[in-house]
Amino acid sequence: AQSVTQPDIHITVSEGASLELRCNYSYGATPYLFWYVQSPGQGLQLLLKYFSGDTLVQGIKGFEAEFKRSQSSFNLRKPSVHWSDAAEYFCAVGANNNDMRFGAGTRLTVKP
Amino acid sequence: EAGVAQSPRYKIIEKRQSVAFWCNPISGHATLYWYQQILGQGPKLLIQFQNNGVVDDSQLPKDRFSAERLKGVDSTLKIQPAKLEDSAVYLCASTTMGATGEQYFGPGTRLTVT
Repeated sequence: AQSVTQPDIHITVSEGASLELRCNYSYGATPYLFWYVQSPGQGLQLLLKYFSGDTLVQGIKGFEAEFKRSQSSFNLRKPSVHWSDAAEYFCAVGANNNDMRFGAGTRLTVKP
Repeated sequence: EAGVAQSPRYKIIEKRQSVAFWCNPISGHATLYWYQQILGQGPKLLIQFQNNGVVDDSQLPKDRFSAERLKGVDSTLKIQPAKLEDSAVYLCASTTMGATGEQYFGPGTRLTVT
């Protein structure tokens, strides 16, 4: 069965510092991988997605993620974090838009 | 383009009571999802509709949860009777049929069962 693990429950970074959020998945076939962001009281917003092709995916708000099949990982990165990036981040795996499985999330705090 | 609408935004009920949530997806989106998000966890898919047919309800607790999408547009999710462990945010999302892209999420309904 497919599953997603986000090892870090909470991460704190200083504004302007780089960020990497980890995501590991288990999936029986070629996965469709997603990163979503959720601000307090808001619904989830898609940051980026991977289906095939180039393993380095660019998303909105300056985020990128790299698919590494050998490590079953899809880590999210940003070179310089802004205070407005403070939110909850969810990694998800699915087959197209079916059977989506979300990780438990990583809460990002940004220090001034 | 209007987003996914949900109501109510907040609901407090006592255990064993009934409650219903409403979702209106983005116009033209054939696929609709209901998710349950318990505090500290990621969203868990409860049910997925394609137009007015159910695609996946394998994780829906059918003894107490029900959902319908009669005209293939808006949808209701009902809990009867509610338990304490049903306290969560219920998220509705929609996407175009067969899309390999984005699910658009509503703001959610926060349910507290006392």
